[in-house]
Amino acid sequence: SAVISQKPSRDICQRGTSLTIQCQVDSQVTMMFWYRQQPGQSLTLIATANQGSEATYESGFVIDKFPISRPNLTFSTLTVSNMSPEDSSIYLCSVGQGISNTQYFGPGTRLTVL
Amino acid sequence: GDSVTQMEGPVTLSEEAFLTINCTYTATGYPSLFWYVQYPGEGLQLLLKATKADDKGSNKGFEATYRKETTSFHLEKGSVQVSDSAVYFCAITGANSKLTFGKGITLSVRP
Repeated sequence: SAVISQKPSRDICQRGTSLTIQCQVDSQVTMMFWYRQQPGQSLTLIATANQGSEATYESGFVIDKFPISRPNLTFSTLTVSNMSPEDSSIYLCSVGQGISNTQYFGPGTRLTVL
Repeated sequence: GDSVTQMEGPVTLSEEAFLTINCTYTATGYPSLFWYVQYPGEGLQLLLKATKADDKGSNKGFEATYRKETTSFHLEKGSVQVSDSAVYFCAITGANSKLTFGKGITLSVRP
């Protein structure tokens, strides 16, 4: 399976600021995804990061709040904009591989907003 | 839409006890089924998967069988260890390749 890294691993941010999270994969992949895991909760898909076109957002998530870039097949960024304490979560990227598009996850970015 | 239902937790067991975590799903077509595990302070790891009916996924002593007739994918382990303490998520992917997760269940294993 692909090796996935994320930066930063954790951060503490002030209300109203923005944070950009990077996701790097060691091989080219077609499908990349961004998830949010709020404290004590399951994972919720934010968007599918499409290479060469705009990301596809799930209901309840918008581009102005969570802009995503996907400049090539090994890299993507997620920005959490104008943060509030409610944005405190773990943010994870994942990639789909194989015939069944099995998803493998990065280690996550633990974000705390004060 | 697709949905996954996991048994309510948390679950606390003694070391070497038998583990069953129930998972049922609702989906159109023939989804692939997964169990992911999240150890304290870490990201999600794929534990096992099954992609068609009657397939059995297995890893690290854990097993789960794809039961299409009961739309279930229950996770079992014959003898749990303290190191198995983690949160376990059942998940499915449908035709759109999107993962739908259950709520997760916390397992604590006592020495």
